[in-house]
Amino acid sequence: GEDVEQSLFLSVREGDSSVINCTYTDSSSTYLYWYKQEPGAGLQLLTYIFSNMDMKQDQRLTVLLNKKDKHLSLRIADTQTGDSAIYFCAGRTDKIIFGKGTRLHILP
Amino acid sequence: GAGVSQSPSNKVTEKGKDVELRCDPISGHTALYWYRQSLGQGLEFLIYFQGNSAPDKSGLPSDRFSAERTGGSVSTLTIQRTQQEDSAVYLCASSLIGRDEKLFFGSGTQLSVL
Repeated sequence: GEDVEQSLFLSVREGDSSVINCTYTDSSSTYLYWYKQEPGAGLQLLTYIFSNMDMKQDQRLTVLLNKKDKHLSLRIADTQTGDSAIYFCAGRTDKIIFGKGTRLHILP
Repeated sequence: GAGVSQSPSNKVTEKGKDVELRCDPISGHTALYWYRQSLGQGLEFLIYFQGNSAPDKSGLPSDRFSAERTGGSVSTLTIQRTQQEDSAVYLCASSLIGRDEKLFFGSGTQLSVL
């Protein structure tokens, strides 16, 4: 079955770019997602990419997909304090499986 | 409803008791998922439903856990003879089965087993 791995912590200075990385195991994953969980709040879909795409850009967010290496990344440009959250990578095969989440900490 | 609703929002129980957690998905959503979020463990898949049937129950941690969905709508997750390690936030999500299947999450039920 699908297994999704991501690093647990990332610290970035305010104004810099944040890059959160994720790897997955099942090459038949059709969609890959990034969800955001802010403190005390539920999970919300941030963005997603179809497996036949290499890149998707949405305002400050850029998703890159390397299907050969089964590697997904989320780049947040001009990181703000409001971006402080846990970011979950997820892959869809017959069901949707999540990674453990990356906690993004913003340094002043 | 406007969003995914879960009840109760908090549940404190004694070890050995049974608990029922409820999820009301977004009206018309055909897929329903249950996940468990423990501290430092991320989101653990438990079970998902397509309509009223559960094609994959592989994530249920033990036979003390069961779930059902009736009328293609409300789902109940039941934990029998609760143990302290069952303490976690139980999250429900629903989606329209389709190509992109975006999940909409409820706020979760915080379960504490004393």
